[in-house]
Amino acid sequence: SAVISQKPSRDICQRGTSLTIQCQVDSQVTMMFWYRQQPGQSLTLIATANQGSEATYESGFVIDKFPISRPNLTFSTLTVSNMSPEDSSIYLCSATGGVGQPQHFGDGTRLSIL
Amino acid sequence: TQLLEQSPQFLSIQEGENLTVYCNSSSVFSSLQWYRQEPGEGPVLLVTVVTGGEVKKLKRLTFQFGDARKDSSLHITAAQPGDTGLYLCAGLKGGKLIFGQGTELSVKP
Repeated sequence: SAVISQKPSRDICQRGTSLTIQCQVDSQVTMMFWYRQQPGQSLTLIATANQGSEATYESGFVIDKFPISRPNLTFSTLTVSNMSPEDSSIYLCSATGGVGQPQHFGDGTRLSIL
Repeated sequence: TQLLEQSPQFLSIQEGENLTVYCNSSSVFSSLQWYRQEPGEGPVLLVTVVTGGEVKKLKRLTFQFGDARKDSSLHITAAQPGDTGLYLCAGLKGGKLIFGQGTELSVKP
């Protein structure tokens, strides 16, 4: 299975600032996703990162707040913009070789906004 | 409204007991995946079930996919403290995973 590395693993940020999270996969994958998870709770899909084109966002998430890049098949970034305390969460990257293939996750980025 | 209802959300049991976690939906899924997540880590895939009625075993864990591919269960036999963690079911629909609420399992020695 693909190994997925995320960085930073955690950060504490000031209100109003932005943070970019990086996700690197050790092999070429078809699909990459970004999720948000409150501690001890389930995962909510933010968007599908599309290679070479704009990400596909889920209801309740917008590009201005969560810009996503995916310049190639193994790398993606998620930016959390103009952060507020409500953005404190765990952000997870995942990847799969294609529809129906197992989806694997990075260890997440634990973000706290003061 | 949660598309995939997972229950129970919290479970605290003694070592050696058996338990079952349920995931139910009114929707049909292409497949259903079960994950286990420990604090500070991402979810780790345990199993994928694809065929209605399918049963898969992973040591003391038994996974079942409903005949109609709308529900699934995870049964753990003789639970051990190492089984402690957050268990997540996720159904594949339209190329995307839809997660249940999760079950926080605590197994006390």
